[in-house]
Amino acid sequence: AQTVTQSQPEMSVQEAETVTLSCTYDTSESDYYLFWYKQPPSRQMILVIRQEAYKQQNATENRFSVNFQKAAKSFSLKISDSQLGDAAMYFCAYRRDNAGNMLTFGGGTRLMVKP
Amino acid sequence: GAVVSQHPSRVICKSGTSVKIECRSLDFQATTMFWYRQFPKQSLMLMATSNEGSKATYEQGVEKDKFLINHASLTLSTLTVASAHPEDSSFYICSARALSRETQYFGPGTRLLVL
Repeated sequence: AQTVTQSQPEMSVQEAETVTLSCTYDTSESDYYLFWYKQPPSRQMILVIRQEAYKQQNATENRFSVNFQKAAKSFSLKISDSQLGDAAMYFCAYRRDNAGNMLTFGGGTRLMVKP
Repeated sequence: GAVVSQHPSRVICKSGTSVKIECRSLDFQATTMFWYRQFPKQSLMLMATSNEGSKATYEQGVEKDKFLINHASLTLSTLTVASAHPEDSSFYICSARALSRETQYFGPGTRLLVL
């Protein structure tokens, strides 16, 4: 079974600074997808960024980028120029392939942004 | 992006009553819908996966006779909590995925409180 581990229950960052959230996973599959979701206080899950395992290039979405290390099974999220609106729970998630399989979520990291 | 709605957003009921939660994909056909449960300060835990027109697949430990899932159309799935008890109080989230899309889209969630 796949597992996703987020070792940082809470992280704090100063506004405008950069923060990195860690995620590791365990799988025997070679084809899979990795995601970072944001859950603000409204509790609506919002997709932040997605990475296909077969792609070597790290995904980037504006201020959000990932460091995908397939051999190490590591998938960290870097948030640059942190904003107050970035404060939320962040969940790392794994999906086995592109055939409708469910997401396996990590335990989450609460990010606090200090003004 | 795609929109998924849930209704109701919040429900309070007495112990022993049944509660129905609707999940709708508003602008796409959802071949697969997922139901998650989230306890306070915890991650999302998959309860079941439903494909349109077929029986739902439940995760281990989830009682299918208590959590009844119906995916009768490509835009609607319902979760009925039968004879709800206080321990069923939780935040329930659905997500929907179209066959042609790689991403799941999440509903805003339903907070259930059983007194």
